[in-house]
Amino acid sequence: DVKVTQSSRYLVKRTGEKVFLECVQDMDHENMFWYRQDPGLGLRLIYFSYDVKMKEKGDIPEGYSVSREKKERFSLILESASTNQTSMYLCASTLGQGGQPQHFGDGTRLSIL
Amino acid sequence: GQNIDQPTEMTATEGAIVQINCTYQTSGFNGLFWYQQHAGEAPTFLSYNVLDGLEEKGRFSSFLSRSKGYSYLLLKELQMKDSASYLCAVFPPSGGFKTIFGAGTRLFVKA
Repeated sequence: DVKVTQSSRYLVKRTGEKVFLECVQDMDHENMFWYRQDPGLGLRLIYFSYDVKMKEKGDIPEGYSVSREKKERFSLILESASTNQTSMYLCASTLGQGGQPQHFGDGTRLSIL
Repeated sequence: GQNIDQPTEMTATEGAIVQINCTYQTSGFNGLFWYQQHAGEAPTFLSYNVLDGLEEKGRFSSFLSRSKGYSYLLLKELQMKDSASYLCAVFPPSGGFKTIFGAGTRLFVKA
């Protein structure tokens, strides 16, 4: 089974801090994704990566950046955290192109105070 | 634009059958996913439909009509553990690696 691991389940940070969310997958998947999930809005794509050092903006990239230095690890960075970034963050990975199901991590519930 | 609609909440009784509908308007279509997400947990894959028709997998079945932009997830012999959110998601050809998710339907199963 694919295992996608996110570094923290719960995180509390202060406005203006730089925040790092880490995600690691163990099945050699090429593609990795970061989403945020808010009530009534569903999953919204922040960034994705289809290869090491490659990244593409999703639908809501503003205020975020990502890093993929190794195939198994995809990091999400909040450059200067703001209260409207309080949310559930989900990392996912898929194998190859086409309609492959996404494998999700357990999520990080981030609160910005 | 890209839009996926599904009901916000549904309630059903243990042992019954429930149908969760999903309609979509997307620029192209390559397939439709259903995921299950229990509260506080990760979404998990349930089904993937590419062609029209019904795909059955145990107590769960998923139906697709591409001409109508419509899908449903059918859950039979409901159990309390089926209480969860069910996410409809479309994989459009123009999206490359992107999948578009609906907001999800929260299903409550009562005794």
